[in-house]
Amino acid sequence: GQNIDQPTEMTATEGAIVQINCTYQTSGFNGLFWYQQHAGEAPTFLSYNVLDGLEEKGRFSSFLSRSKGYSYLLLKELQMKDSASYLCAVIDSNYQLIWGAGTKLIIKP
Amino acid sequence: DVKVTQSSRYLVKRTGEKVFLECVQDMDHENMFWYRQDPGLGLRLIYFSYDVKMKEKGDIPEGYSVSREKKERFSLILESASTNQTSMYLCASSPLQGQSNEQFFGPGTRLTVL
Repeated sequence: GQNIDQPTEMTATEGAIVQINCTYQTSGFNGLFWYQQHAGEAPTFLSYNVLDGLEEKGRFSSFLSRSKGYSYLLLKELQMKDSASYLCAVIDSNYQLIWGAGTKLIIKP
Repeated sequence: DVKVTQSSRYLVKRTGEKVFLECVQDMDHENMFWYRQDPGLGLRLIYFSYDVKMKEKGDIPEGYSVSREKKERFSLILESASTNQTSMYLCASSPLQGQSNEQFFGPGTRLTVL
């Protein structure tokens, strides 16, 4: 079967750095997305990785290792508005998106 | 600016009622999707469509049907609503397969079935 694993919940302090991990076992791989979802709102796109390595975009970075079936989202200089759920999703060999259950990130002052 | 709209943000229906959820996108995207999202389960795909009048079952199609008569509009139908269909329903669209597969989401419809 296809599976994506993320921690259910994480807590971090304002101004700090947090890393949210995602591991996947899918039938094929054609890319990996990270989305942010605030409570009661729709998911919004954060990043897309298809090659190994680190993609940096402002305070957010995303890393991919295809050989390990592993990705992480790195958030720096945390702000209270970063409190949200972070969803990892993988495109499989049929170009279908397989979604993780999401990681709820709680930021404390 | 890309936009996906859904007909209602909140909806309350009774068991057995027929329910229509409408989704419209203005990006000329070929692909459209309907998901439901429940706590701890993540996004689960109900149905998707790659073209007008075309539909494919997702992971959990039972109790649902869809309609895509026009490229910009994708409707989700609950033929006879049941309490276990209480959920957040999210519509999404994306451009052609092989291009960027980023999905753009609507604001969601929180459906309660009593």
